[in-house]
Amino acid sequence: KQEVTQIPAALSVPEGENLVLNCSFTDSAIYNLQWFRQDPGKGLTSLLLIQSSQREQTSGRLNASLDKSSGRSTLYIAASQPGDSATYLCAVPGGSYIPTFGRGTSLIVHP
Amino acid sequence: DAGVIQSPRHEVTEMGQEVTLRCKPISGHNSLFWYRQTMMRGLELLIYFNNNVPIDDSGMPEDRFSAKMPNASFSTLKIQPSEPRDSAVYFCASSLSSGGPMNTEAFFGQGTRLTVV
Repeated sequence: KQEVTQIPAALSVPEGENLVLNCSFTDSAIYNLQWFRQDPGKGLTSLLLIQSSQREQTSGRLNASLDKSSGRSTLYIAASQPGDSATYLCAVPGGSYIPTFGRGTSLIVHP
Repeated sequence: DAGVIQSPRHEVTEMGQEVTLRCKPISGHNSLFWYRQTMMRGLELLIYFNNNVPIDDSGMPEDRFSAKMPNASFSTLKIQPSEPRDSAVYFCASSLSSGGPMNTEAFFGQGTRLTVV
């Protein structure tokens, strides 16, 4: 059974810092991985989708890397801003195409 | 586009009552997903429709749960009878792709917070 762990569970940083959020998964036989953002009281917003053939994806200040062999992905946020405050979740396919989600990293960026 | 629209936003009901959650996907999207989020279990996929047909309902917890998609613009998730452990936030999401919940960018509604007392 696929299990996804996200570390740290919570993070509070001053504005401007570069951040690394970690996601690890137990079954490396995945074909992709997604990073999502969830704002309080809202649904999820897809940030980045990395296919297993890719090693990283970039969108603006966000960069996600994937290392299947080690069962890890990282989300790098450059020059963090208060608007980045949210919970970040990663998801990988569990059985078939059914996603297994991590519990998320709750990020607070204070001015 | 207004995005994925869910109703109601909040629902409080008594144990044993029937609860119906509603979802209007983004126009033109052909896949629809129902998720449940709790503190205990995190986010879980309950059921996935493609072109109004249920593809995988293995995440539906019990027979008390049922979901329908009578047309491309409407879906319901029904719980009958409801129990306190069903208390959660239920999300509906839709996407353009037929490739399943992990192969596409899905757009989420704001969720329905269900409390069963």
